Amino acid sequence: KQEVTQIPAALSVPEGENLVLNCSFTDSAIYNLQWFRQDPGKGLTSLLLIQSSQREQTSGRLNASLDKSSGRSTLYIAASQPGDSATYLCAVGDYGGATNKLIFGTGTLLAVQP
Amino acid sequence: DADVTQTPRNRITKTGKRIMLECSQTKGHDRMYWYRQDPGLGLRLIYYSFDVKDINKGEISDGYSVSRQAQAKFSLSLESAIPNQTALYFCATSESFELNEQFFGPGTRLTVL
Repeated sequence: KQEVTQIPAALSVPEGENLVLNCSFTDSAIYNLQWFRQDPGKGLTSLLLIQSSQREQTSGRLNASLDKSSGRSTLYIAASQPGDSATYLCAVGDYGGATNKLIFGTGTLLAVQP
Repeated sequence: DADVTQTPRNRITKTGKRIMLECSQTKGHDRMYWYRQDPGLGLRLIYYSFDVKDINKGEISDGYSVSRQAQAKFSLSLESAIPNQTALYFCATSESFELNEQFFGPGTRLTVL
């Protein structure tokens, strides 16, 4: 059974710092990996999608990498800003039954201090 | 306007009541999903639908049912609500197996007393 773990559960950094969020998964047979941002009282916003054949994706100050063989993904945020404060969720697309089922981690709560 | 909308946004109900949560999308996607989010457990899949004639159970479907009224509408029902169904419920869509990025609605916060 696929399990997704995100470490750390919470992170506080000063504004301007570069930071890395980690995601690990137990079964390398995934078809994609998606990073989301969740703000209080709001839904999930898709940040980056990495297909299983890709190694990384970039959007603005965000860069996500994928290493299927080691079961790891990282989300790199450059020059963090207070507006980046949110919960970041990692989800892997599981092949079981071709369902496009996403298996979620429990998230990293990020606080960027001004 | 949001691409994926959910109604209501908040609901308080009593044990034993039947309630329906609704999801609508304007993205033109065939695939729709219902998830619930509980603190410390992440999001878990309840039901999913690949088109209007296709309904499938997810990992935690007991106590729930769904209806796919049209390509754009996917409703989740709690037949007889119980307190441990108190959670944040999300609807999501995706275009196809190949175009598989999922897009989420704003969520419905449900409290069962």
